[in-house]
Amino acid sequence: DAGVIQSPRHEVTEMGQEVTLRCKPISGHDYLFWYRQTMMRGLELLIYFNNNVPIDDSGMPEDRFSAKMPNASFSTLKIQPSEPRDSAVYFCASSLGQGATGELFFGEGSRLTVL
Amino acid sequence: AQKVTQAQTEISVVEKEDVTLDCVYETRDTTYYLFWYKQPPSGELVFLIRRNSFDEQNEISGRYSWNFQKSTSSFNFTITASQVVDSAVYFCALSEPAGGGADGLTFGKGTHLIIQP
Repeated sequence: DAGVIQSPRHEVTEMGQEVTLRCKPISGHDYLFWYRQTMMRGLELLIYFNNNVPIDDSGMPEDRFSAKMPNASFSTLKIQPSEPRDSAVYFCASSLGQGATGELFFGEGSRLTVL
Repeated sequence: AQKVTQAQTEISVVEKEDVTLDCVYETRDTTYYLFWYKQPPSGELVFLIRRNSFDEQNEISGRYSWNFQKSTSSFNFTITASQVVDSAVYFCALSEPAGGGADGLTFGKGTHLIIQP
């Protein structure tokens, strides 16, 4: 079975550019999470969806960040305009039925570098 | 206040040694869940174990074992006879269903475990 699939794996862009990260959760999973990992702050929850509906986006840093889940098999995290401090690894994770109280299945992450 | 504390930033041991990774958590909830995840050099996070607050039984899975002690709010992870493949960053996490926001899932800062051949 395919796991959580993220793309791109690596992205290098210049400050001010728009960045779109993509995620395909495990088929049948009803929760989807976006996390950001940095050395300074560790793993931070940005936003999560339940049945394609955003439930909590309080972790989204600012208005430059937006996330969508148009259907059960696809989600995007967009940063516009990007800034050097957005450089991080962005993880998508999905789970079934138990939200974050159950096992989260993570993708391999998208490493973003903003110059 | 930090809810999950992994005081050991980095641990280095020689292969075949036993090693314990510490995790101390803080919560006021009576119902909560504790997790360990492994992040190997390839980058993805891999689930290792989940424990609920009502089950203090220790668990053993091969060379891995976990010691959950509510009295000290700790959920420590021991690797017996460590191997080079165990080298990774290990994260402890706490989920508080009543804590809001993705069931209040909070990760510790992680412990970087280095197993030297």
